[in-house]
Amino acid sequence: SYELTQPPSVSVSPGQTARITCSGDELPKQYAYWYQQKSGQAPVLVIYKDSERPSGIPERFSGSSSGTTVTLTISGVQAEDEADYYCQSGDNSNVLFGGGTKLTVL
Amino acid sequence: QVQLQESGPGLVKPSETLSLTCTVSGGSITYYYWSWIRQPPGKGLEWIGYIYSSGSTNYNPSLKSRVTISVDTSKNQFSLKLNSVTAADTAVYFCAREVRGYTQLHYYYYMDVWGKGTTVTVSS
Repeated sequence: SYELTQPPSVSVSPGQTARITCSGDELPKQYAYWYQQKSGQAPVLVIYKDSERPSGIPERFSGSSSGTTVTLTISGVQAEDEADYYCQSGDNSNVLFGGGTKLTVL
Repeated sequence: QVQLQESGPGLVKPSETLSLTCTVSGGSITYYYWSWIRQPPGKGLEWIGYIYSSGSTNYNPSLKSRVTISVDTSKNQFSLKLNSVTAADTAVYFCAREVRGYTQLHYYYYMDVWGKGTTVTVSS
């Protein structure tokens, strides 16, 4: 099976734009998904099928895909966005998660 | 609003079997996929496997030899059994609803509703 690679950490100041990447060789053939996990809580789906946003997720969350890399963009970052973010894709019908990125809001 | 709740022992002895149940409320368990995911302390998420309401299953190849997921539609519950556990199986275990299908472009599968998680420690 292949791997999904994320940077361990990203830091931004409030109001700036955060970009979290996820790389994997099979991403051109699969959709990607993003989850937000705040400390001590269950993950929450914030992006599905590369760029779709579930109801209730703020518009500042967006997703994009280019080749073997997908990107979660958070525009106008707020303090409440500080969390771990995980990308997810698939591999022969199996679910695969990236290692996670800790977003720190300075 | 569908809600999921995990239940089961918080402490399991090495070499024994870990058993957890997820109760689905606010909706029917039928016609959906249901998954288990775990997260070791301080680490990332690991998908364990899913079961469809009809009983068909698919497991993470790395855990397949030790995992059984079952469903009880009459109780709106599904369950996880993981045998021969070691300290490496210590984790928070989440149950989730898994959405699966396909478009003209790709297959898709993701978790849209999660339980709060339950901590399982493997220790003598």
